[in-house]
Amino acid sequence: ETGVTQTPRHLVMGMTNKKSLKCEQHLGHNAMYWYKQSAKKPLELMFVYNFKEQTENNSVPSRFSPECPNSSHLFLHLHTLQPEDSALYLCASSQMTGNQPQHFGDGTRLSIL
Amino acid sequence: GQNIDQPTEMTATEGAIVQINCTYQTSGFNGLFWYQQHAGEAPTFLSYNVLDGLEEKGRFSSFLSRSKGYSYLLLKELQMKDSASYLCAVNQAGTALIFGKGTTLSVSS
Repeated sequence: ETGVTQTPRHLVMGMTNKKSLKCEQHLGHNAMYWYKQSAKKPLELMFVYNFKEQTENNSVPSRFSPECPNSSHLFLHLHTLQPEDSALYLCASSQMTGNQPQHFGDGTRLSIL
Repeated sequence: GQNIDQPTEMTATEGAIVQINCTYQTSGFNGLFWYQQHAGEAPTFLSYNVLDGLEEKGRFSSFLSRSKGYSYLLLKELQMKDSASYLCAVNQAGTALIFGKGTTLSVSS
């Protein structure tokens, strides 16, 4: 139990579907992150939110749309995804951005048909 | 450019000591993290180094040399449960982390 909960754990969707990934942290942290983890590749940072404000968008395609309604919840809205978007999507949180340890959720395994 | 290098795979036996190296070239540096990730699970924080030297935490130690852009994670008295991926990550001056590809460690009996 890391204090960061992601749902769903697995998701299979077609390229024309719209779905959302959810992340909730119970650690009282102020920063939240979305990462993509593909086989044989490093963890790739997608988005950073600090006190609900987006502070970083790492050149992510617009078919991924993040939402952070409060410091405890983070969503990733998915629309018209491509097969290469199949990956493990990890959410993390930390007390602040910068040199603070990040606590990760178990991820959502996404498969695009 | 930004680059973090780690060996892809390592093997060791129970009770042994293993050292996982990480070299980095980044445009800024505000600390280096090591994470452990078991298959199908979340990465978990192991250690953080921002000053040169060795940080020891039980069976795990982490070393940093900023002048050489080099770190290592030392695992002592290896156990089967230590079989996992070990991720090296650099924090660049206040931004989020840049990760290496990870080193998959297999511990055999």
